[in-house]
Amino acid sequence: GENVEQHPSTLSVQEGDSAVIKCTYSDSASNYFPWYKQELGKRPQLIIDIRSNVGEKKDQRIAVTLNKTAKHFSLHITETQPEDSAVYFCAASSFFDMRFGAGTRLTVKP
Amino acid sequence: ETGVTQTPRHLVMGMTNKKSLKCEQHLGHNAMYWYKQSAKKPLELMFVYNFKEQTENNSVPSRFSPECPNSSHLFLHLHTLQPEDSALYLCASSQGPAGNGGEQYFGPGTRLTVT
Repeated sequence: GENVEQHPSTLSVQEGDSAVIKCTYSDSASNYFPWYKQELGKRPQLIIDIRSNVGEKKDQRIAVTLNKTAKHFSLHITETQPEDSAVYFCAASSFFDMRFGAGTRLTVKP
Repeated sequence: ETGVTQTPRHLVMGMTNKKSLKCEQHLGHNAMYWYKQSAKKPLELMFVYNFKEQTENNSVPSRFSPECPNSSHLFLHLHTLQPEDSALYLCASSQGPAGNGGEQYFGPGTRLTVT
């Protein structure tokens, strides 16, 4: 089955700096790659996603890149703010199956 | 409010108890999911239902029994659980498979503790 590796497990940045989280997947059938943000005690919420026919997608301070050949995708957050502090999960999906990475705890220091 | 609700929000049960978790979605979606979220482990997909039919069962022990009476409701029946089953159980729904545009919306979860 699908195996999704996510790095780093923890990330601490200064407010205003950029943060990058990387994921790799193993199933070449995966065609949808969402990123979720989960604040403490709350439900995971989708922040951005990318499909296999697209190499890059941007939404304000957040961007995601996908390299299908290498089977890896990344989340980029620019101009980080303290409210960006949370756990971020990547996922890879094929049809209904969705496999998640272990998560990255991002801390943005003011 | 994302339109996916779960009850109860917290549950403590003994290993010999039988209990049920309930999920309801008000988004008009046709697919519903159960996930298990344990500390320091990835979210694990347990079951998927599409139009009330089970499409995925990722080797989940039989002490977890799902039920989907219609596209808006999903249950997880629990019996003779083990302490290692203590976790946050999340329900999600989507309009079709993720790969075809079906973004998954999560409920708030049920925090389960097995004593």
